[in-house]
Amino acid sequence: GAGVSQSPRYKVAKRGQDVALRCDPISGHVSLFWYQQALGQGPEFLTYFQNEAQLDKSGLPSDRFFAERPEGSVSTLKIQRTQQEDSAVYLCASSQGEEQFFGPGTRLTVL
Amino acid sequence: GQQLNQSPQSMFIQEGEDVSMNCTSSSIFNTWLWYKQDPGEGPVLLIALYKAGELTSNGRLTAQFGITRKDSFLNISASIPSDVGIYFCAARDQTGANNLFFGTGTRLTVIP
Repeated sequence: GAGVSQSPRYKVAKRGQDVALRCDPISGHVSLFWYQQALGQGPEFLTYFQNEAQLDKSGLPSDRFFAERPEGSVSTLKIQRTQQEDSAVYLCASSQGEEQFFGPGTRLTVL
Repeated sequence: GQQLNQSPQSMFIQEGEDVSMNCTSSSIFNTWLWYKQDPGEGPVLLIALYKAGELTSNGRLTAQFGITRKDSFLNISASIPSDVGIYFCAARDQTGANNLFFGTGTRLTVIP
């Protein structure tokens, strides 16, 4: 069966550019999470959706980060005016119960 | 934010050896989990622990939820080359929040 997919897998952006990262969760999963994983670190929570409602965005590092899930399925994480410190792997996870299933991530490099 | 201190940072072991790694925190958690992450992939759940003192096995893996709810360990017995990867502890706190806090990872290398 299909797992969580993310696109693009790799993204290179010039500083100041806007980027959009897509997550396709497992079909039927109510909960969706975004995490940021810096090189050599564990993932850090960014935001959480239950269906289309964004219930927790406490982990978003600045107002340049914005996430949406308008129809309660696919989600997009948008980063405006990217900075070098935004370089990281962005992981999406979905869940129906306790266990979160992770996608392969999008590696963002900001030059 | 909450911090999970994971050790060791890296391990080099011979195939067939047993491995032990642990995770500690100054905060109390309700759930402890152990994940493995391969290069270019997302973390995959290995073991989940929901009760203080719980000891759970999954094949060659054994993990325990510390009695104080502030720590957990993972043991891998009779390591094989495919055990190579980065192992993360993760935990969920008491607030009922769904997000996970992750440790910094233990990079395991198995020498055939």
